[in-house]
Amino acid sequence: GAGVSQSPRYKVTKRGQDVALRCDPISGHVSLYWYRQALGQGPEFLTYFNYEAQQDKSGLPNDRFSAERPEGSISTLTIQRTEQRDSAMYRCASSPGQGVPMNTEAFFGQGTRLTVV
Amino acid sequence: AQSVAQPEDQVNVAEGNPLTVKCTYSVSGNPYLFWYVQYPNRGLQFLLKYITGDNLVKGSYGFEAEFNKSQTSFHLKKPSALVSDSALYFCAVRDINTGNQFYFGTGTSLTVIP
Repeated sequence: GAGVSQSPRYKVTKRGQDVALRCDPISGHVSLYWYRQALGQGPEFLTYFNYEAQQDKSGLPNDRFSAERPEGSISTLTIQRTEQRDSAMYRCASSPGQGVPMNTEAFFGQGTRLTVV
Repeated sequence: AQSVAQPEDQVNVAEGNPLTVKCTYSVSGNPYLFWYVQYPNRGLQFLLKYITGDNLVKGSYGFEAEFNKSQTSFHLKKPSALVSDSALYFCAVRDINTGNQFYFGTGTSLTVIP
């Protein structure tokens, strides 16, 4: 697509439920990133992929959080047994990645606003 | 460790005046530096980047930024502010020596007063 697409835009879920957030990166982009942004804060790194390989998951806060990108394109961030503290804006970004200079910028989607009640 | 600091949570400037949004960084290797802007209910939009070369880089919407290696700074500037520049601005650093991810500052809210 023309840009990074995230769905849903808004998600309200009850505490204890699982949620899956979807990211569709720019076509052909190798690298895909997940960030979390709390109100009034900067984006906080969660994890990133090159193609289908998860390169770094050091930012995932605990084992309730996981991400996958099985075919090297669309990615899903899953949060199991959600807690109120998981409420935040979850942002996905992609960049051309390998094969071009590594210094290119990342392009962000509009984010998914997750509210856990 | 990589980090970015934006020392000002809020910057107010009168329309038509020059604006500066400050950013300092810390990386172990050569820094790749970026500025992003976030408008209400919108995603992060890329403004400009410094990779190498001229210390003064120009970006979108008339913004520019000056890389200063000795002061480890990358301040965002614009000669004449517009009301429409009011938004949240984020500085980010990328250190490919230690990883591919971007590290963001906490953001600076810019308000341009008519």
